[in-house]
Amino acid sequence: GAVVSQHPSRVICKSGTSVKIECRSLDFQATTMFWYRQFPKQSLMLMATSNEGSKATYEQGVEKDKFLINHASLTLSTLTVTSAHPEDSSFYICSARVGGRLADYGYTFGSGTRLTVV
Amino acid sequence: RKEVEQDPGPFNVPEGATVAFNCTYSNSASQSFFWYRQDCRKEPKLLMSVYSSGNEDGRFTAQLNRASQYISLLIRDSKLSDSATYLCAVETGGSYIPTFGRGTSLIVHP
Repeated sequence: GAVVSQHPSRVICKSGTSVKIECRSLDFQATTMFWYRQFPKQSLMLMATSNEGSKATYEQGVEKDKFLINHASLTLSTLTVTSAHPEDSSFYICSARVGGRLADYGYTFGSGTRLTVV
Repeated sequence: RKEVEQDPGPFNVPEGATVAFNCTYSNSASQSFFWYRQDCRKEPKLLMSVYSSGNEDGRFTAQLNRASQYISLLIRDSKLSDSATYLCAVETGGSYIPTFGRGTSLIVHP
């Protein structure tokens, strides 16, 4: 089945520093990757859609200069949280849609990154 | 009105019970529907797609009601291991941008 590998799984950083999160599609090409944030007991909130070879599309209210997204290749998308603050502490998850013969797979998720900013 | 709505629960049921969740969507142009399971502090994992004709996978049955704009998930013979949050996802048109519900929490107790 389709697998998305996400790293790191957990990170603790100091306020003001930047954190990079990587998502790789291991056995398929992901032209589009979705980045979500999830606070405890809340739904997945779509932050942005990254597209290989072009600029990401950000959802309303998401600061594109704070959450930098790069989709450098068909198998790698990165999210960088710049100048992180405690309120950025959350669970960040990437996802890619699997289509074609794997259409029933729907959206496959990375394992998530739990970010804690102290 | 939110695009995708779910009763957050929790649904607290005994082992062996049958439990059903609904998920309503507001956009009549929605075309693809999925149910996901999310365990605490983990990523969501696909449980099943929802087809127009409905589909069944063991103890799990998913159905789509386009007229009333909702999908349902039925779990028969609940197991302790079914305890989790169940998220529905709706995809509209050809955009391939899914919208997730908030999730319904299920607790199965002995």
